[in-house]
This record gives sequence, structure tokens and C-alpha cells, in this order.
Amino acid sequence: GQNIDQPTEMTATEGAIVQINCTYQTSGFNGLFWYQQHAGEAPTFLSYNVLDGLEEKGRFSSFLSRSKGYSYLLLKELQMKDSASYLCAVMDSNYQLIWGAGTKLIIKP
Amino acid sequence: DADVTQTPRNRITKTGKRIMLECSQTKGHDRMYWYRQDPGLGLRLIYYSFDVKDINKGEISDGYSVSRQAQAKFSLSLESAIPNQTALYFCATSDSRTGEVQPQHFGDGTRLSIL
Repeated sequence: GQNIDQPTEMTATEGAIVQINCTYQTSGFNGLFWYQQHAGEAPTFLSYNVLDGLEEKGRFSSFLSRSKGYSYLLLKELQMKDSASYLCAVMDSNYQLIWGAGTKLIIKP
Repeated sequence: DADVTQTPRNRITKTGKRIMLECSQTKGHDRMYWYRQDPGLGLRLIYYSFDVKDINKGEISDGYSVSRQAQAKFSLSLESAIPNQTALYFCATSDSRTGEVQPQHFGDGTRLSIL
């Protein structure tokens, strides 16, 4: 079966760095997405990785290792507005997105 | 104005009622999707459409039907609602015309409660 695993909840301090991990087992791979979702709101696109390595976009970076079925989202200089759920999703061989349950990130002052 | 608009935003109804959720988009995207989101679970695909004449079942299509009335409009119907269909429903769009994988863009969601 297809499976995406990410931690349910993480806590970090304002101004610090946090890494949210995602491991996956899917039938085929056409890229991995990270989305941010504030409570009760729509998911919004953060990053897309299809090749191994690190993609940096401002305070957010995303890493992919296809051989390990592993990705992480790195958030630097955390701000209170970063409190949200972070969703990992893999595009499978049918170009369908398989979603993880999301990691709720709590930022403390 | 939002690029992907869902109506209604909230709906409370009774078991057995027929319900339609509507989605319209101004992004000009060809692909549209309906998902449901439940606490502790990932987004689950209900139906998707790659163009007006193309409708496909997703992971959890039982109890749901859809209609793609135009490229910009994609409606989800619950023919006879049951309480375990209580969830947050999202419509999403994506663009296949570039030939490259593109992210999906989501509407603001419809919170549906079935009593």
C-alpha cells in the first residue's frame, strides 16, 4: 500500500530552527510537495522536490532523498505566524497526490 | 477575489438530504479535484477531472457524485447524506498545459455537518 509518515505534532521556539520529517512508500514517484495549512484554512503550496538535494526558498528549505524515501522541511528564524500544520504529499505513478496526515507545528514565544 | 471559490462555506443538514457543493475557478486550469479532510487523516481524494469530458473516481468516491459543467466549474453532490460524511471539503485545481508537474491550488473549503 501507499504510505506517508510525518510526526503528528512538534513544538519550537520563536526565532529558532525546526525540521519536519516525512517518509514515504508509494507506487512510483513524480515529486514531493510541502504545503502549509493554518487551522480552518486552505492548504497553500510551499515547495516541490523531484530531484535529490536541497531547495531553498527564503526562510523555508526542503530536502529530498529518493533512495531513502525521505524528505524534510526546514523552517528558520521561526515566527509566530509559522504556527500551522505542514502537509507532505507525494505524486505517485498515476500523477495522483498521496497526502500525509500533517504535522501541527506549535511556536512558543 | 479568490481564484478558487467554494460555496457554501458552511452547511449543516440532516441525514438523508441531498447536498451540492460548488466550486468555480478563475485560474484557467484544466484539472479540478475534490478532497475531504478529517481530523488526524490526510486529505483524501473523492473525484477528479482532467477536462470537461473526463471524470475519475478517487480513493473514496462511494456516496458522492460530481459534475464538471464547464472548465471553470466542478460540483460535488451527496445524494443521501450520512453523518460520517461530516468533514471539511476542499476543491483544488492544477494546470497540465505546461507539461511539467504543477502544484494544486485550493479553495477555502466547505465545512459540512450532517446531523
